[in-house]
Amino acid sequence: SAVISQKPSRDICQRGTSLTIQCQVDSQVTMMFWYRQQPGQSLTLIATANQGSEATYESGFVIDKFPISRPNLTFSTLTVSNMSPEDSSIYLCSVERDRAYNEQFFGPGTRLTVL
Amino acid sequence: QKEVEQNSGPLSVPEGAIASLNCTYSDRGSQSFFWYRQYSGKSPELIMFIYSNGDKEDGRFTAQLNKASQYVSLLIRDSQPSDSATYLCAVRGTGANSKLTFGKGITLSVRP
Repeated sequence: SAVISQKPSRDICQRGTSLTIQCQVDSQVTMMFWYRQQPGQSLTLIATANQGSEATYESGFVIDKFPISRPNLTFSTLTVSNMSPEDSSIYLCSVERDRAYNEQFFGPGTRLTVL
Repeated sequence: QKEVEQNSGPLSVPEGAIASLNCTYSDRGSQSFFWYRQYSGKSPELIMFIYSNGDKEDGRFTAQLNKASQYVSLLIRDSQPSDSATYLCAVRGTGANSKLTFGKGITLSVRP
């Protein structure tokens, strides 16, 4: 499996501000994803981060709120914009090395609290 | 809407017992099936995956898949207190852009 790091590991932010979360992988991967996990809930896919092109967003998530970058095959960022308390959640980066392998591995997550 | 359903929990078993975790899915074309373990405050960790009908064993864990019944399960033999966690079932459908759909998870507690 790949070694995945996320920064920051946690943050407390004020309403109306934005936070950018970074995801770094120790090797090149084909696919990178961003998920949200709200307290006591399962994982919800926000978007697929595409290298060199716009991310593919799931229903209910929009680029203006969650802009995503993926400049290369080992790095991606997710920004949570104009935050409200409802954005308080754990944000997780995940990767697939190769579509042929199919398995998806998760980073340690970023715990976000919005006051 | 593709759905993945897991037994409502929590599930409590005594140490040394077999824990049986079940999952059903709605998309008959699903091809790949995964079990993740998530300790409190941690991210999900992939512990088993299965692609073909039948059983797949890895140490104390056995994944069972029955595509006709759209059913996948995880058996944990000789359960240990360290197995206490939430277990998430995830299913991937067909196609190059298919995504993982997660169940809500079931919390397992192993009593010493």
